[in-house]
Amino acid sequence: KNEVEQSPQNLTAQEGEFITINCSYSVGISALHWLQQHPGGGIVSLFMLSSGKKKHGRLIATINIQEKHSSLHITASHPRDSAVYICAVPLTGGSRLTFGEGTQLTVNP
Amino acid sequence: DAGVTQSPTHLIKTRGQQVTLRCSPKSGHDTVSWYQQALGQGPQFIFQYYEEEERQRGNFPDRFSGHQFPNYSSELNVNALLLGDSALYLCASSFSGIYGYTFGSGTRLTVV
Repeated sequence: KNEVEQSPQNLTAQEGEFITINCSYSVGISALHWLQQHPGGGIVSLFMLSSGKKKHGRLIATINIQEKHSSLHITASHPRDSAVYICAVPLTGGSRLTFGEGTQLTVNP
Repeated sequence: DAGVTQSPTHLIKTRGQQVTLRCSPKSGHDTVSWYQQALGQGPQFIFQYYEEEERQRGNFPDRFSGHQFPNYSSELNVNALLLGDSALYLCASSFSGIYGYTFGSGTRLTVV
């Protein structure tokens, strides 16, 4: 069992749909990162959150520390949102991140 | 404000050779972490440098070594390259290892 699990692994949506990607982790953490990676590209940090909810544009991230679960939502999805979305957590208590396997999102026009 | 800068962006090396990858952290950041991302997989932690010392290390052989300079920039060195070392190498900087975690665009290393 992976220490950081994401679901779904692959997600195909139509433009305009509401998207949810989930992340569960195995131990208590101080914060969780949501990251975005386009094909062949580097990683962009979307959110770092330790409690509650954060919003940036059409992106919303929530975390429930007690349940060890986080969700990334995309409202009014657009083809340019197509990318791999990765959650990452500092499982060892420091700043070393352990990554989920990623969710490949494809948004069709 | 420049983010994390990595160089080179692409590199092709031959088995057995040595390679050095470079990372300049975001302004104000003092910690540099290196990750290896094989094709189709998530990034794996290599090591982290803070105050010019290796602070944490992942499960990578001694062929992987690094350095941090007084200006907080960092190098990743890989000796005796293997085909399996072909990957995207990502550098991430932060302040005190936690705040403002920012990733670079990576260096794509191909070993032939």
